[in-house]
Amino acid sequence: DAGVTQSPTHLIKTRGQHVTLRCSPISGHKSVSWYQQVLGQGPQFIFQYYEKEERGRGNFPDRFSARQFPNYSSELNVNALLLGDSALYLCASSFPQGANEQYFGPGTRLTVT
Amino acid sequence: DAKTTQPTSMDCAEGRAANLPCNHSTISGNEYVYWYRQIHSQGPQYIIHGLKNNETNEMASLIITEDRKSSTLILPHATLRDTAVYYCIVRVAGYGGSQGNLIFGKGTKLSVKP
Repeated sequence: DAGVTQSPTHLIKTRGQHVTLRCSPISGHKSVSWYQQVLGQGPQFIFQYYEKEERGRGNFPDRFSARQFPNYSSELNVNALLLGDSALYLCASSFPQGANEQYFGPGTRLTVT
Repeated sequence: DAKTTQPTSMDCAEGRAANLPCNHSTISGNEYVYWYRQIHSQGPQYIIHGLKNNETNEMASLIITEDRKSSTLILPHATLRDTAVYYCIVRVAGYGGSQGNLIFGKGTKLSVKP
């Protein structure tokens, strides 16, 4: 079975630009979460979406936004990019039952110059 | 902040069992223990989870103490490919608010040596 997929794999942007990252969950999973991982640190929670509604939000500025589509795929948008937004952006999906373990994709490496 | 405490690093000889401890003394009755690992620059990989009972799957075993204040992840026959950062996380299973996200600490860097 296909795992969580993310696109693009790598991305280079300039300060002030906007970026859109995409995520496709495992088939049957209805929840998608986004995490940011800065070099040398553990992943930090940004958003969770379940059934196309935002269910949780981490401590990130309003420049970060996301949405979930009817097919449960998701986009993460970041406006007015800063150098500090350079990170690995991870998407995780989960099945809406039981222990709700999350399965991660390979991530998108964003570099802001 | 993460609700778990793990050693910063550990070494293990290839072929031997790797035992990774985790302290979660403030765990609540409805919180699960989850283990993930992350190999350099890859997405975290789910390993195993448990609530009260010990658990085993094809990757590892999870031993949870009776008072649930600590647990140990066991990789029975460590290989060089098991070299990674291992994260122990506790949270309530569910959606919304604090239930929806995983809070990662610094984890344990396991180095498997030939």
